[in-house]
Amino acid sequence: QQQVKQSPQSLIVQKGGISIINCAYENTAFDYFPWYQQFPGKGPALLIAIRPDVSEKKEGRFTISFNKSAKQFSLHIMDSQPGDSATYFCAAIVANTGNQFYFGTGTSLTVIP
Amino acid sequence: GAGVSQSPSNKVTEKGKDVELRCDPISGHTALYWYRQSLGQGLEFLIYFQGNSAPDKSGLPSDRFSAERTGGSVSTLTIQRTQQEDSAVYLCASSLGQHSGNTIYFGEGSWLTVV
Repeated sequence: QQQVKQSPQSLIVQKGGISIINCAYENTAFDYFPWYQQFPGKGPALLIAIRPDVSEKKEGRFTISFNKSAKQFSLHIMDSQPGDSATYFCAAIVANTGNQFYFGTGTSLTVIP
Repeated sequence: GAGVSQSPSNKVTEKGKDVELRCDPISGHTALYWYRQSLGQGLEFLIYFQGNSAPDKSGLPSDRFSAERTGGSVSTLTIQRTQQEDSAVYLCASSLGQHSGNTIYFGEGSWLTVV
């Protein structure tokens, strides 16, 4: 059973547009939600993360929106650039266990110049 | 080292051979993870170590797969009698460990091709 459901599977956005990737979860014990960015041939790298005590976190052009009641969170990339073209993974974990990170299935983002 | 180091970066092996993949985590990280990523696919959890013990081996796909960690540092993932479906990128990651709430940091992966 997929613990974290991610959509869409792929996304094409025009340069300057907003990219939105959504994730949903069921386990209310999850308390740490990171997003990872992966370029071809590289390992995933932490992009931004949020804890459920806040509804939004912004770092530069990247924003996580968190809806605790709906058990959903999303990544917004403002002013999308061709260099943002990559695969994005959301994840969830029960932070004080340090155990398995549950990853979404990934979204392949292509930003067209 | 500064990051998670994996070797070899690329490995081509014949079907039926055994392979060993090595992971050197970030210094001081007590938790270590192995994931598998097939071409264009998501991240498949294989095994997790806390120190030298592996409390969660639930993701190992068959008894041909095994992993060990010694000295709370380097880990080796071994695949015996490799099959073509084992072809994938094997990613290692490490973190400060449980109770820390910290994220995990990935290496660049070992690309395995079984021919």
